[in-house]
Amino acid sequence: KAGVTQTPRYLIKTRGQQVTLSCSPISGHRSVSWYQQTPGQGLQFLFEYFSETQRNKGNFPGRFSGRQFSNSRSEMNVSTLELGDSALYLCASSQRQGALNTEAFFGQGTRLTVV
Amino acid sequence: GQNIDQPTEMTATEGAIVQINCTYQTSGFNGLFWYQQHAGEAPTFLSYNVLDGLEEKGRFSSFLSRSKGYSYLLLKELQMKDSASYLCVAVGESNDYKLSFGAGTTVTVRA
Repeated sequence: KAGVTQTPRYLIKTRGQQVTLSCSPISGHRSVSWYQQTPGQGLQFLFEYFSETQRNKGNFPGRFSGRQFSNSRSEMNVSTLELGDSALYLCASSQRQGALNTEAFFGQGTRLTVV
Repeated sequence: GQNIDQPTEMTATEGAIVQINCTYQTSGFNGLFWYQQHAGEAPTFLSYNVLDGLEEKGRFSSFLSRSKGYSYLLLKELQMKDSASYLCVAVGESNDYKLSFGAGTTVTVRA
């Protein structure tokens, strides 16, 4: 079966703009979690969606938001971009709620560069 | 608060054994994961421990001691392809699964 698909793979934006990233989970998976990975901070949890509802949230400002659709696809939005938002954004899908509580499968990520 | 500590880098030769230690402090505990991440790629699942003891999966084994807040990932018969970053991830409070990520240990395997 197809893996987790993230689009786009690469993105360049300027400060102040907003961006929307997309994640399509593995078929049948209802949980989608988002992570930010930077060299300095490592991997950090953003939020988790399950059955179209945000279930868990990390310590990120309100500029970071997301949603999940009825087909379990999820989008993440970052508004008023800052240079520090440059990172690899990963999403992971799993069958059950609980982020990494069960084996989660990661997408290839979206590399966002803010200039 | 929540804290994960693991070494930044480790180097070993092909065929050898390497043990990556991870200590954690979380509010509550709901399991510990190890993930492997090759440069430029997404993390891939290696193991999940929630009970004390050793879990063996081929060349990789993971150990957990809940009372000590300690885990290790053991890589045996190292191969060049094992050169990667290994992430220790602790799952905290049972109701909202707070995640604590280690910074990752970069393992370099040399011929």
